[in-house]
This record gives sequence, C-alpha cells and structure tokens, in this order.
Amino acid sequence: EVQLVESGGGLVQPGRSLRLSCGVSGFTFDDYAMHWVRQAPGKGLEWVSGLSWNSGSIDYAESVKGRFTISRDNAKNSLYLQMNSLRAEDAAFYYCAKGAFETVASPFDYWGQGTLVTVSS
Amino acid sequence: DIVMTQSPATLSVSPGERATLSCRASQSVTSNLAWYQQKPGQAPRLLIYGSSTRATGIPARFSGSGSGRVFTLTISSLQSEDFAVYYCQHYNNWPPYTFGQGTKLEIK
Repeated sequence: EVQLVESGGGLVQPGRSLRLSCGVSGFTFDDYAMHWVRQAPGKGLEWVSGLSWNSGSIDYAESVKGRFTISRDNAKNSLYLQMNSLRAEDAAFYYCAKGAFETVASPFDYWGQGTLVTVSS
Repeated sequence: DIVMTQSPATLSVSPGERATLSCRASQSVTSNLAWYQQKPGQAPRLLIYGSSTRATGIPARFSGSGSGRVFTLTISSLQSEDFAVYYCQHYNNWPPYTFGQGTKLEIK
C-alpha cells in the first residue's frame, strides 16, 4: 500500500523558517518524481514545487521561488520542503504528492493527508 | 503561465443523472491533463490522466475527453459518493503545473 506522511507543519512567525518532511512507503521512491502542493483553507489547489526522480530537474512556482527549497533523500525514502522568509500568504495545508512518472511533468497519483502551516505573529 | 479555467463553479445534479464538467486551458496542453476529486477534509484523488485514462481503481462511470485547450469530465450516473469538488490540472512540459479553480458538484 502506497503511503505518504507529511510532518513539520505548525505555527510560525512571518519571516521565519520551517522544514516540512514527507516519508513514503509502498513504492520504489527513487523511480518517481515528487511534488508539494498547497491549499489555503477553503481555497483551491496550488502547485508549489516538484523534482524528478534523481533531483536532476527541479521546478518552483513563482510565488515561492528563492524562498523555498525542495529536496529528496532516496536512501531515506523522504521528501523535504525548506521554507524560508515565510509570509502570511504561505499559510495552507501542504500536501506531498507522488508523480506518476519519473519526470517532473507528470500527474500526481498518490497524495499524503497534508500538514498545516500557519503564519502569524 | 497556463491558466486553467473550469466551468461551472457549482453544478447541481440529481443522483443517477449525468454530470459534465468543463476545463479550458489558456494555451494547448496537448493531452497532458488530469482530473482530481476532493472531498471535505481529504486529500485530492487522481481520477483521470492523459485527458482520458482512468487512474487505478476509478470506476468506469468517470470518463475524460478532449485535447489541446478544451477538456471534459463526465460522470455517467452520479452516486452519492461522487458529490465533491473536482479540479483539472495540466502537466504539460513547463511549470507551473496549474490547477483550475475547481467545480463543486452538489446534490440537486
């Protein structure tokens, strides 16, 4: 059974940093691209970042470029999102999602349950 | 960036009837289009990818069509568990891999 479990969310002050993690099981992690998608409460979905199976291709939404860094550790079956200089508009549920292919340009066939990030002073 | 526009925002349909949801891209995404279903308090679930291929375990009453800029998700006979929010998303060559704003499918 494919499982993705996010952790690391919480309340953080504007301008501070937070690191999200996503542990996966049930599939060969280093065969697939991985992504982060966020959703502000009551709003729609926003793709945040994605990386290919070998981290050779990495993309970001313009809204987070230069502030967020995605990474993966294939030996640990884990995906990460380092979020710096957080803003109020970054507050959302953050979902880890598995790409259906090895390339970044792929649909997302499995999702975690999300971790909530709240940005407030 | 490619803008994905879904219509209608809300669709009211009776159980057992057919629902047709639309998605339009601001430029061609060829067939690199996916549909997701999201229920309250849950993560999205992949329904369709490649415009018309059902994901694993998705019932045959869900079908997708279209290419280029115009796409449709059809649910042939609505079941109670189908009432949810549906999103389209492109995954064409270049990011961002934008989602539509969603269509809420509600019980009439």
